[in-house]
Formats: sequence, structure tokens, C-alpha cells
Amino acid sequence: NAGVTQTPKFQVLKTGQSMTLQCAQDMNHNSMYWYRQDPGMGLRLIYYSASEGTTDKGEVPNGYNVSRLNKREFSLRLESAAPSQTSVYFCASSEALRQGYTFGSGTRLTVV
Amino acid sequence: RKEVEQDPGPFNVPEGATVAFNCTYSNSASQSFFWYRQDCRKEPKLLMSVYSSGNEDGRFTAQLNRASQYISLLIRDSKLSDSATYLCVVLPSGGSYIPTFGRGTSLIVHP
Repeated sequence: NAGVTQTPKFQVLKTGQSMTLQCAQDMNHNSMYWYRQDPGMGLRLIYYSASEGTTDKGEVPNGYNVSRLNKREFSLRLESAAPSQTSVYFCASSEALRQGYTFGSGTRLTVV
Repeated sequence: RKEVEQDPGPFNVPEGATVAFNCTYSNSASQSFFWYRQDCRKEPKLLMSVYSSGNEDGRFTAQLNRASQYISLLIRDSKLSDSATYLCVVLPSGGSYIPTFGRGTSLIVHP
């Protein structure tokens, strides 16, 4: 089925470990995003990529890096995980900025 | 005042009821508005864009009131399957692109 695919779905990390969250979309969308969702905080934008070859910081970029590998793929890397990064991470895509998103099913990350 | 505010609810309504949610925003220059639906432990899904002229999709109607700085979502003839959390999203105008999500309004439709 067409859409946004995220891997892994669940992950437990120890403080200081690194990992990369993968995201791919097959809708030929130009823009891709990484969000985190925490209880009582709503969804917050970490990084986004308006088009292939560009990336920009969102509201909460500290502790994260991203790579727009090609038009389909946008990865999120945690270089040194901290307990404050325990969250649900959603990747999303849209045809262009300021248009509605299609979200992936999320990654539940716990940092202990 | 928070940038985007929603009544968290829950709104508990019987099947067939009409229910309305509001979402207020503080930035008068905001440009784009959306409603999303999120089921428990699932991803948000786009429900509707909100246009200045208002828009309707079946049982759902979205309105924008720029003067009072709020958007609304009206659900008619509620179904059990409408039970979810409804998120509003406000995008700024100009060069900055950082949308603000509301924290959501919980709707429970009971038999």
C-alpha cells in the first residue's frame, strides 16, 4: 500500500547509544518531516526537508541530525541518546510545504 | 496565551449527536489551517484543510473565523467510529515554516 513507512516500530536504547530511524515514502512527495509526540505536549517538529537536497531545523532540533538521502527517504539520527528523547517519533510527507501530511505509523523509542 | 489552544475534553456524546470543537490561535498572520484525527496509539490522519470560505466533507464541516482567530470542526450524526482525538494545526505565514499542533480534543461517541 502507498504511504509512509517507518522502521523500527519499537526501540529501547541505553543512554549514550546512537541509532537511526528510517523513513521512506512512495507517493513522490517533495517535502518530508520528523515529529516527536509527548504526552501533554502535542506534536513538535524536529527537522524538515522542503525538497530533495535541503533540510531545515524545526522547533526542537537539538540532539538530532537528519539526512534526505533521496526523494523517497529521510532519516533521523540520535548520536547520543538521552532519556529526554523518550518519545513517539513520526515521519510525515506532503506534496509541498503548507499542505496536509501523510504520517507514518510511528516509532516508540525508550531511552533508559 | 498559548499559540494554539484546544479544549482537551473528553466530549462524551451519544450516537447521532452533533458536536463541535473550536481551536483558537494567537498569531493573527497565520496562513494555513488543518484538522487531523488521531486514534489511540496510531498516527494522525488528515481530516480536512480549513479554508476561509469554510468547507464540508460529508458529516464534517470546518470553518475559519479570522476576526476571532479560531477554527471549528462540526461533526453531524456522530458515529461510534468517530471516537478519536482531533488535532488542529496552524501554519504561520511568511518565510518561517514551523507548524503548531494543538494538543487535541478527545471525542467519545457512545451507543
